[in-house]
Amino acid sequence: RKEVEQDPGPFNVPEGATVAFNCTYSNSASQSFFWYRQDCRKEPKLLMSVYSSGNEDGRFTAQLNRASQYISLLIRDSKLSDSATYLCVVGGLMDTGRRALTFGSGTRLQVQP
Amino acid sequence: DTGVSQNPRHKITKRGQNVTFRCDPISEHNRLYWYRQTLGQGPEFLTYFQNEAQLEKSRLLSDRFSAERPKGSFSTLEIQRTEQGDSAMYLCAGSPTPGTDTQYFGPGTRLTVL
Repeated sequence: RKEVEQDPGPFNVPEGATVAFNCTYSNSASQSFFWYRQDCRKEPKLLMSVYSSGNEDGRFTAQLNRASQYISLLIRDSKLSDSATYLCVVGGLMDTGRRALTFGSGTRLQVQP
Repeated sequence: DTGVSQNPRHKITKRGQNVTFRCDPISEHNRLYWYRQTLGQGPEFLTYFQNEAQLEKSRLLSDRFSAERPKGSFSTLEIQRTEQGDSAMYLCAGSPTPGTDTQYFGPGTRLTVL
């Protein structure tokens, strides 16, 4: 079982649609949670951190449920420029003392005109 | 722009050749990570430096791979006797300390081994 699991998609949605991505993680000791965005053949870029209280940044809302080990990302009013792969990322302190990030395989979003 | 740079951006090499990649994080990035990413997968951890000390290496990092960060600033990743399976995007990420897990990625070096 992968440490971070995501639906690979692709999610094909029309402009203006609301789309939700889900992610589950297996390590209950995980301490930090993020969504990164990755455009084709580019590096991952931090989209937002995710907190238990939920957080919002413009059209993007992220939620964390520690009890279910579940993370979500909601995108409202989708734009063409939102087309990308969204990586669910979980972080924490490893036994080795390294602060580590573990990445999901990503969910691909294609917003269509 | 995260301020993390990587060179070269693309490298095409023949099987059996050695290649070296460079990463320049920003000065605040005490922690430096190398990842490998193949198509359809998320980045996979390779190795980690705290300042100049290499503190951890993944089992993915075979004996053909070596990484250095000699003065705690830039880092290099060398692959000896490249194999076709080494073809991937090699990403470097920096993270400031203390207390944050957030990592900021460079643009990556795309390696193609023929």
